[in-house]
Amino acid sequence: GAVVSQHPSWVICKSGTSVKIECRSLDFQATTMFWYRQFPKQSLMLMATSNEGSKATYEQGVEKDKFLINHASLTLSTLTVTSAHPEDSSFYICSARGLAGGNEQFFGPGTRLTVL
Amino acid sequence: QKEVEQDPGPLSVPEGAIVSLNCTYSNSAFQYFMWYRQYSRKGPELLMYTYSSGNKEDGRFTAQVDKSSKYISLFIRDSQPSDSATYLCAMSAPGGSARQLTFGSGTQLTVLP
Repeated sequence: GAVVSQHPSWVICKSGTSVKIECRSLDFQATTMFWYRQFPKQSLMLMATSNEGSKATYEQGVEKDKFLINHASLTLSTLTVTSAHPEDSSFYICSARGLAGGNEQFFGPGTRLTVL
Repeated sequence: QKEVEQDPGPLSVPEGAIVSLNCTYSNSAFQYFMWYRQYSRKGPELLMYTYSSGNKEDGRFTAQVDKSSKYISLFIRDSQPSDSATYLCAMSAPGGSARQLTFGSGTQLTVLP
């Protein structure tokens, strides 16, 4: 149980284009989903927290107009990187926390974004 | 000072060794403690989840929490090459936004065959 999927697993795009990453909880309903960014050999950096049906809460320094988050259902959240630039190249990972109210987070496999 | 401190390693041990991974923290509100394993270019996988102080065992893994010392540990017995990964400790406090996880920086472990 507690499986989270992400799609795509990797994407290469040209500078200036937008990229959408999907995060799905496959076998549980997630009231809250989180989006993280991870650079090589570094720990996870929380970008934003999204609750189903409400606006995402962004961490300080994260541009909400650049990283659009939509949490339209209890099993799906999307992150759209708008007008991507090479500095946005990174490993993006989502996680989900279930309805049961526990504090565990279950992570997706991650999406590697390369912007040329 | 970071809220959660974790020795980044790298740590290399021979196959079969007992591995000890540790984190210290400063926020006394933390009540929930987790250990994640992350293989290269993959998302973190939840290994152990503990509430408050005490020990928890699952197969070759044992998690210990000492809230009085603000210190948590993960022990791996009979370590295997497949245990080679980065281990992240994470913790959170109850209630609202405090339930967000605060991560350690991760310890890179290599188990040599």
